[in-house]
Amino acid sequence: QKEVEQNSGPLSVPEGAIASLNCTYSDRGSQSFFWYRQYSGKSPELIMFIYSNGDKEDGRFTAQLNKASQYVSLLIRDSQPSDSATYLCAVGRKSSGDKLTFGTGTRLAVRP
Amino acid sequence: DTAVSQTPKYLVTQMGNDKSIKCEQNLGHDTMYWYKQDSKKFLKIMFSYNNKELIINETVPNRFSPKSPDKAHLNLHINSLELGDSAVYFCASSQEVRQAAKNIQYFGAGTRLSVL
Repeated sequence: QKEVEQNSGPLSVPEGAIASLNCTYSDRGSQSFFWYRQYSGKSPELIMFIYSNGDKEDGRFTAQLNKASQYVSLLIRDSQPSDSATYLCAVGRKSSGDKLTFGTGTRLAVRP
Repeated sequence: DTAVSQTPKYLVTQMGNDKSIKCEQNLGHDTMYWYKQDSKKFLKIMFSYNNKELIINETVPNRFSPKSPDKAHLNLHINSLELGDSAVYFCASSQEVRQAAKNIQYFGAGTRLSVL
C-alpha cells in the first residue's frame, strides 16, 4: 500500500464546475496535510494546508480532513481553465523529521 | 527576488560524470530539503538539513552527497552519474515549527538533469 494515494486522473470538469480531488494516507500518526499545485514544467506551489478535522476554506478552495478515515480532499469551486494542473497531496509527521510524503498527484483538466 | 533559487536550471551530462546543483534560500528558514521528481512525476524526499545538520537521509545511493555550508545554502553533489539519475531535482525550504509538522515548504524552480 502506498503511503499517500491519489487517483492519477485526468479528472476532467467543465469550466464553472466543482472539481473534487481526493487523497488517502496510511500513517495514522500523520499531523499535517498539504495540497500543492504543479503546472507542467514548474515547481510545486502550496495552495492549502490543514491540520485539524473538518473543512478549511480559502477563496475558491476548500480542504477537508477526516483523520478517522485517513482521508483528505480538495474542492475547487467555479473551476477555471487556469486551474488545469497536477494537484499533489502531501502528508507530514513531526517524528519523521518534518519530511513530506507526497502522492503521485491528480491531473485536473478544466474544459472551457 | 526569488525566495528559493537553484542553479543550474538544466543540466545535461554524460554517464560517469560528477556534477553539483546549488540551492540558496533568502527566506531566513532553518530547514532545507532536496527532492527528486521522476518521469512519472513522483516527488520523493532525499535529504533535509536543519541549521546545517543532516536530519533526513532517505535511501539514496551514496553517490549523492548533500552539503550545507550555512543554513541558507544546501548543495547536492552527485558522483558517477547514471542514466537513472535523470529527473528533476527540487530544493525546498521551511521554517521549523516546534508543534506537530506544521512547516510549510517552499520549492525552488527545479533542476532538470539529463544523463546521456
